[in-house]
Amino acid sequence: DAGVIQSPRHEVTEMGQEVTLRCKPISGHDYLFWYRQTMMRGLELLIYFNNNVPIDDSGMPEDRFSAKMPNASFSTLKIQPSEPRDSAVYFCASSRPGETQYFGPGTRLLVL
Amino acid sequence: GENVEQHPSTLSVQEGDSAVIKCTYSDSASNYFPWYKQELGKGPQLIIDIRSNVGEKKDQRIAVTLNKTAKHFSLHITETQPEDSAVYFCARNQGGKLIFGQGTELSVKP
Repeated sequence: DAGVIQSPRHEVTEMGQEVTLRCKPISGHDYLFWYRQTMMRGLELLIYFNNNVPIDDSGMPEDRFSAKMPNASFSTLKIQPSEPRDSAVYFCASSRPGETQYFGPGTRLLVL
Repeated sequence: GENVEQHPSTLSVQEGDSAVIKCTYSDSASNYFPWYKQELGKGPQLIIDIRSNVGEKKDQRIAVTLNKTAKHFSLHITETQPEDSAVYFCARNQGGKLIFGQGTELSVKP
Protein backbone atom coordinates (compact mmCIF):
# COMPACT_ATOMS: atom_id res chain seq x y z
CA ASP A 1 0.00 0.00 0.00
CA ALA A 2 1.31 3.46 -0.88
CA GLY A 3 0.06 5.01 2.33
CA VAL A 4 -1.69 8.36 2.55
CA ILE A 5 -0.77 10.55 -0.41
CA GLN A 6 -0.74 14.34 -0.23
CA SER A 7 -0.08 16.95 -2.87
CA PRO A 8 1.57 19.29 -3.31
CA ARG A 9 4.41 18.64 -0.87
CA HIS A 10 5.35 22.32 -0.84
CA GLU A 11 3.31 25.39 -1.74
CA VAL A 12 4.41 29.02 -1.77
CA THR A 13 1.77 31.58 -2.56
CA GLU A 14 0.96 35.22 -2.06
CA MET A 15 -1.56 36.58 0.39
CA GLY A 16 -5.04 36.63 -1.08
CA GLN A 17 -4.53 33.68 -3.40
CA GLU A 18 -6.57 30.49 -3.25
CA VAL A 19 -4.76 27.39 -2.03
CA THR A 20 -5.98 23.82 -2.57
CA LEU A 21 -4.42 20.89 -0.74
CA ARG A 22 -5.18 17.34 -1.83
CA CYS A 23 -5.27 13.99 -0.08
CA LYS A 24 -5.75 10.38 -1.10
CA PRO A 25 -6.43 8.17 1.92
CA ILE A 26 -5.41 4.53 2.30
CA SER A 27 -7.84 2.31 0.45
CA GLY A 28 -10.50 0.86 2.74
CA HIS A 29 -10.13 3.53 5.42
CA ASP A 30 -13.49 5.07 6.29
CA TYR A 31 -12.12 8.00 8.27
CA LEU A 32 -10.15 10.95 6.90
CA PHE A 33 -8.64 13.72 9.02
CA TRP A 34 -7.10 17.09 8.20
CA TYR A 35 -4.56 18.55 10.67
CA ARG A 36 -2.51 21.72 10.83
CA GLN A 37 0.87 21.81 12.59
CA THR A 38 2.66 24.94 13.75
CA MET A 39 5.34 25.59 16.35
CA MET A 40 2.99 27.75 18.39
CA ARG A 41 -0.15 25.59 18.38
CA GLY A 42 1.21 22.11 17.80
CA LEU A 43 -0.91 19.54 15.97
CA GLU A 44 -4.50 20.75 15.55
CA LEU A 45 -7.40 18.76 14.11
CA LEU A 46 -9.25 20.89 11.57
CA ILE A 47 -11.97 18.52 10.34
CA TYR A 48 -12.68 14.85 9.89
CA PHE A 49 -14.90 12.76 7.64
CA ASN A 50 -16.54 9.37 8.04
CA ASN A 51 -17.66 7.68 4.83
CA ASN A 52 -17.19 10.98 2.97
CA VAL A 53 -19.45 12.91 5.38
CA PRO A 54 -17.98 15.72 7.53
CA ILE A 55 -18.44 14.75 11.17
CA ASP A 56 -16.65 17.46 13.13
CA ASP A 57 -15.43 20.73 11.64
CA SER A 58 -15.10 22.59 14.93
CA GLY A 59 -11.37 22.96 14.37
CA MET A 60 -11.71 24.85 11.09
CA PRO A 61 -10.36 28.29 11.96
CA GLU A 62 -12.74 30.44 9.94
CA ASP A 63 -14.87 30.66 6.83
CA ARG A 64 -11.81 31.02 4.64
CA PHE A 65 -11.20 27.31 5.18
CA SER A 66 -13.32 24.62 3.54
CA ALA A 67 -12.93 20.88 3.05
CA LYS A 68 -14.65 18.40 0.80
CA MET A 69 -14.60 14.68 0.25
CA PRO A 70 -16.40 13.93 -3.02
CA ASN A 71 -15.55 10.22 -2.90
CA ALA A 72 -13.82 7.64 -0.74
CA SER A 73 -10.43 8.15 -2.36
CA PHE A 74 -10.07 11.93 -2.50
CA SER A 75 -10.35 14.98 -0.27
CA THR A 76 -9.43 18.64 -0.60
CA LEU A 77 -8.73 21.40 1.89
CA LYS A 78 -9.14 24.86 0.42
CA ILE A 79 -8.08 28.23 1.81
CA GLN A 80 -9.57 31.28 0.11
CA PRO A 81 -8.26 33.91 0.49
CA SER A 82 -4.98 32.79 2.07
CA GLU A 83 -3.20 34.87 4.73
CA PRO A 84 0.37 34.74 6.08
CA ARG A 85 -0.89 33.30 9.39
CA ASP A 86 -2.10 30.22 7.46
CA SER A 87 1.55 29.23 6.90
CA ALA A 88 1.96 25.78 8.45
CA VAL A 89 2.34 22.12 7.62
CA TYR A 90 -0.99 20.51 6.76
CA PHE A 91 -1.36 16.77 7.31
CA CYS A 92 -3.98 14.37 6.10
CA ALA A 93 -4.53 11.09 7.95
CA SER A 94 -6.84 8.12 7.50
CA SER A 95 -7.99 5.17 9.56
CA ARG A 96 -10.45 2.33 9.89
CA PRO A 97 -13.09 2.74 12.65
CA GLY A 98 -11.47 2.63 16.08
CA GLU A 99 -8.03 1.93 14.70
CA THR A 100 -4.76 3.78 14.27
CA GLN A 101 -4.55 6.91 12.18
CA TYR A 102 -1.92 6.86 9.43
CA PHE A 103 -0.50 10.22 8.42
CA GLY A 104 0.60 11.45 5.04
CA PRO A 105 3.90 13.28 4.47
CA GLY A 106 2.24 16.70 4.77
CA THR A 107 2.05 19.86 2.67
CA ARG A 108 4.32 22.69 3.76
CA LEU A 109 2.46 25.93 3.01
CA LEU A 110 4.07 29.35 3.00
CA VAL A 111 1.87 32.39 2.40
CA LEU A 112 3.87 35.54 1.70
CA GLY B 1 -10.92 19.09 29.83
CA GLU B 2 -10.00 18.06 26.34
CA ASN B 3 -6.23 18.55 26.48
CA VAL B 4 -3.53 15.97 26.96
CA GLU B 5 -0.64 17.26 29.05
CA GLN B 6 2.72 15.93 27.89
CA HIS B 7 6.05 16.27 29.74
CA PRO B 8 8.83 17.06 29.29
CA SER B 9 8.76 19.29 26.22
CA THR B 10 12.44 18.55 25.56
CA LEU B 11 14.58 15.63 26.68
CA SER B 12 18.26 15.03 26.10
CA VAL B 13 19.84 11.69 26.94
CA GLN B 14 23.12 9.93 26.30
CA GLU B 15 23.14 7.04 23.86
CA GLY B 16 22.33 3.83 25.71
CA ASP B 17 20.36 5.55 28.47
CA SER B 18 16.59 5.26 28.89
CA ALA B 19 14.05 7.96 28.06
CA VAL B 20 10.62 8.37 29.63
CA ILE B 21 7.83 10.66 28.42
CA LYS B 22 4.62 11.10 30.42
CA CYS B 23 1.12 12.18 29.49
CA THR B 24 -1.93 12.93 31.61
CA TYR B 25 -5.56 13.39 30.64
CA SER B 26 -8.89 13.98 32.34
CA ASP B 27 -11.55 12.35 30.13
CA SER B 28 -12.23 8.94 31.65
CA ALA B 29 -14.07 7.85 28.49
CA SER B 30 -10.80 7.53 26.54
CA ASN B 31 -9.81 3.93 25.92
CA TYR B 32 -7.14 4.12 23.21
CA PHE B 33 -3.71 5.74 23.64
CA PRO B 34 -1.27 5.80 20.70
CA TRP B 35 2.24 7.20 20.57
CA TYR B 36 3.63 8.78 17.42
CA LYS B 37 7.19 9.60 16.36
CA GLN B 38 7.77 12.50 14.00
CA GLU B 39 11.10 12.91 12.26
CA LEU B 40 12.11 16.15 10.61
CA GLY B 41 10.16 16.83 7.44
CA LYS B 42 7.89 13.81 7.84
CA GLY B 43 4.42 13.06 9.13
CA PRO B 44 3.85 11.44 12.53
CA GLN B 45 4.27 7.67 12.48
CA LEU B 46 2.69 5.30 14.99
CA ILE B 47 5.28 3.50 17.11
CA ILE B 48 3.14 1.82 19.76
CA ASP B 49 -0.36 1.99 21.17
CA ILE B 50 -2.27 0.65 24.15
CA ARG B 51 -5.92 0.07 24.92
CA SER B 52 -7.47 0.52 28.32
CA ASN B 53 -7.91 -3.18 29.00
CA VAL B 54 -4.15 -3.63 29.54
CA GLY B 55 -1.66 -1.86 31.77
CA GLU B 56 1.52 -2.35 29.78
CA LYS B 57 2.65 -3.19 26.27
CA LYS B 58 6.15 -3.75 24.99
CA ASP B 59 7.74 -3.89 21.54
CA GLN B 60 11.50 -4.46 21.61
CA ARG B 61 13.06 -1.29 23.11
CA ILE B 62 9.76 0.56 23.39
CA ALA B 63 7.13 0.11 26.08
CA VAL B 64 4.01 1.97 27.10
CA THR B 65 2.35 1.86 30.53
CA LEU B 66 -1.17 2.99 31.33
CA ASN B 67 -2.70 3.86 34.68
CA LYS B 68 -6.37 4.40 33.89
CA THR B 69 -7.29 5.19 37.49
CA ALA B 70 -4.75 7.99 37.71
CA LYS B 71 -5.33 8.92 34.04
CA HIS B 72 -1.73 8.90 32.93
CA PHE B 73 0.33 6.92 30.47
CA SER B 74 4.02 6.85 29.67
CA LEU B 75 6.41 5.94 26.87
CA HIS B 76 9.64 4.19 27.81
CA ILE B 77 12.55 3.84 25.39
CA THR B 78 15.46 1.73 26.58
CA GLU B 79 18.99 1.56 25.16
CA THR B 80 18.41 4.74 23.21
CA GLN B 81 20.17 5.24 19.88
CA PRO B 82 20.84 8.42 17.87
CA GLU B 83 18.12 7.41 15.40
CA ASP B 84 15.57 7.66 18.24
CA SER B 85 16.04 11.44 18.08
CA ALA B 86 12.69 12.93 16.99
CA VAL B 87 9.55 14.57 18.34
CA TYR B 88 7.21 12.17 20.14
CA PHE B 89 3.47 12.77 20.56
CA CYS B 90 1.06 11.00 22.85
CA ALA B 91 -2.66 10.99 22.09
CA ARG B 92 -5.97 9.76 23.42
CA ASN B 93 -9.16 9.00 21.58
CA GLN B 94 -12.33 11.06 21.93
CA GLY B 95 -15.18 9.76 19.86
CA GLY B 96 -13.84 9.26 16.36
CA LYS B 97 -10.87 11.57 16.73
CA LEU B 98 -7.51 11.79 18.52
CA ILE B 99 -6.44 14.51 20.94
CA PHE B 100 -2.67 15.02 20.86
CA GLY B 101 -0.20 16.15 23.48
CA GLN B 102 2.11 19.07 22.78
CA GLY B 103 5.06 16.85 21.84
CA THR B 104 8.46 16.00 23.33
CA GLU B 105 11.64 16.69 21.41
CA LEU B 106 14.02 13.84 22.23
CA SER B 107 17.70 14.24 21.52
CA VAL B 108 20.00 11.23 21.88
CA LYS B 109 23.64 12.21 22.01
CA PRO B 110 26.23 9.71 20.75
